[in-house]
Amino acid sequence: DIQMTQSPSSLSASVGDRVTITCRASQSIRKYLNWYQMKPGKAPELLIYASSILQSGVPSRFTGSGFGTDFTLTINSLQPEDFATYYCQQSNTSPGTFGQGTKVEIQ
Amino acid sequence: QVQLQESGPGLVKPSETLSLTCNVSGPSISFYSWGWIRQPAEKGLEWIGRISSNGNSNYSPSLKSRVSMSLDTSNNQFSLKLTSVTAADTATYFCARINVHYSNGWPRETYFYMDVWGKGTTVTVSS
Repeated sequence: DIQMTQSPSSLSASVGDRVTITCRASQSIRKYLNWYQMKPGKAPELLIYASSILQSGVPSRFTGSGFGTDFTLTINSLQPEDFATYYCQQSNTSPGTFGQGTKVEIQ
Repeated sequence: QVQLQESGPGLVKPSETLSLTCNVSGPSISFYSWGWIRQPAEKGLEWIGRISSNGNSNYSPSLKSRVSMSLDTSNNQFSLKLTSVTAADTATYFCARINVHYSNGWPRETYFYMDVWGKGTTVTVSS
């Protein structure tokens, strides 16, 4: 299986901050990388697919980039509703493994 | 607007079979592939497997010997069965729709992603 490693595992930030989360694959996954947002008790939400394509309806302050093994999710001007846990997932090879998650908390 | 809702027993005894159903409100399940994902408490997400609209399935190697998925097009729902459960199978189980994006140019790349999820259902394995 392809291993996905996210960093950091958690971070504290304030409203208005710019936040960057990284995801590293154990082998090249080209652009087969998705990002999801999870909040307790709610259905997970797709943010980004194919490394950089913003899902319809997702605010433009979310951006994704990367190719091969290294990827980033950036949240520009963090909003109160963005405090959540974020997961990357590779879809290059089955099983579609996830990173361990990054919890974004209020500072 | 498509919505997914998981249902099934919240408590399953060890060695028995966990059975969950995902009801799809909206477009026919015949047009998409569908997946199951789980999350043990305080842990990350684990991809369980997927089933395509033609019934072909693909499972995580770590669960393959115990997992099966099926479609019920007449009721617009799909199901997950996990046999011989243990406490390690205690988790919140999510169902999701798998969508696809085709890149421009050549060679054409096919990107899969889960664009609609259910809220999840918690299953505890305990006697």
